[in-house]
Amino acid sequence: QKEVEQNSGPLSVPEGAIASLNCTYSDRGSQSFFWYRQYSGKSPELIMSIYSNGDKEDGRFTAQLNKASQYVSLLIRDSQPSDSATYLCAVNRGTSGTYKYIFGTGTRLKVLA
Amino acid sequence: SAVISQKPSRDICQRGTSLTIQCQVDSQVTMMFWYRQQPGQSLTLIATANQGSEATYESGFVIDKFPISRPNLTFSTLTVSNMSPEDSSIYLCSVGIRGNTGELFFGEGSRLTVL
Repeated sequence: QKEVEQNSGPLSVPEGAIASLNCTYSDRGSQSFFWYRQYSGKSPELIMSIYSNGDKEDGRFTAQLNKASQYVSLLIRDSQPSDSATYLCAVNRGTSGTYKYIFGTGTRLKVLA
Repeated sequence: SAVISQKPSRDICQRGTSLTIQCQVDSQVTMMFWYRQQPGQSLTLIATANQGSEATYESGFVIDKFPISRPNLTFSTLTVSNMSPEDSSIYLCSVGIRGNTGELFFGEGSRLTVL
């Protein structure tokens, strides 16, 4: 079992729809969770971080965390073609102030105009 | 966040040569890391760059192949030594910012092709 698992996709959604990206992790002691967006040929860009169970909203993005079930999700509302990218889930297994990141392999999202 | 500058952004190198990648950050950071992203793959941590001391390497990566320096809080270099085509990859500098809640930020990356 991979430490951080994501469906590789591609996930295709029509413009204006909600894109739902999912991630599961194996280390129950993980405390910090992140979503990165990576456009083709570019470096990862942090778009959301979440530390507590529940939802966290930022503009069109909502991150959801369920530690009991060990999953993190990212919802993108009103999806735009510019959202087409690979989305990387990352889990920081380190304690506060430390960095022991494990990255998933990413889900490729295609938003169809 | 921070502005993280890497150079070169890309290079084409011959087998057996070495290349040094530089990473400059515009603010003092607690942690600096070097990652590799091979084509179609996710990110793999090569090492943590420690200021003024030897880097901490992850399993599968060794200092002779990937020597790293970090002379101060804002600058680090990664050298890819004795390159082979298998070293063709994107190399990414990343930083954790002092006082931050564990968020990691990435430079633009250095795309290396070894012929």
